[in-house]
Amino acid sequence: AQSVTQLGSHVSVSEGALVLLRCNYSSSVPPYLFWYVQYPNQGLQLLLKYTSAATLVKGINGFEAEFKKSETSFHLTKPSAHMRDAAEYFCAVSDRRETSGSRLTFGEGTQLTVNP
Amino acid sequence: GAVVSQHPSWVICKSGTSVKIECRSLDFQATTMFWYRQFPKQSLMLMATSNEGSKATYEQGVEKDKFLINHASLTLSTLTVTSAHPEDSSFYICSARQFTGTGYTFGSGTRLTVV
Repeated sequence: AQSVTQLGSHVSVSEGALVLLRCNYSSSVPPYLFWYVQYPNQGLQLLLKYTSAATLVKGINGFEAEFKKSETSFHLTKPSAHMRDAAEYFCAVSDRRETSGSRLTFGEGTQLTVNP
Repeated sequence: GAVVSQHPSWVICKSGTSVKIECRSLDFQATTMFWYRQFPKQSLMLMATSNEGSKATYEQGVEKDKFLINHASLTLSTLTVTSAHPEDSSFYICSARQFTGTGYTFGSGTRLTVV
């Protein structure tokens, strides 16, 4: 079984400040890990994903995440927050099966607020 | 990149009626389609998984007869909420996956309000 825990349902930062959204996973097999962003009344947009290549993954909009096996973590960071980054962020895990039926398991989400 | 078109984006219906939500993969073959439900300020809850040409697999607690899923082709899957009631009001999102690769492509979601 796999699970994801996002620490902090709400994170508030000032514009220009560092963004750090925490995600820890539990998986019995080497996982694939994902970060998604969701704006109000919209679907999910992929920010980045870890699939066993480089442990530091760079994504869109200046976000990056580092896979740390020893800490079972995959925290999302951005050096400087923009107002447009205010949204809901979801961490997700899937097993490494290459079959299409492999499902995503989502964390509870973290609402990021960016203050001017 | 891969795109999934989901329609309608919002719908209001009367209690007791049925509503159909469509998800189409525009530039790839969606071997598997996942259907999620999301309540306000909550995460996505997987309702069912469907493979093209096969019956959907429903998660525990999801009523099969209420949430009818059809995945008759590699580019189209539908979710029909039958005899909708106000408690079915929610945000429904589909996600498609190709046979190989690690990508999951999400639709833009459907806001269903049952009055």
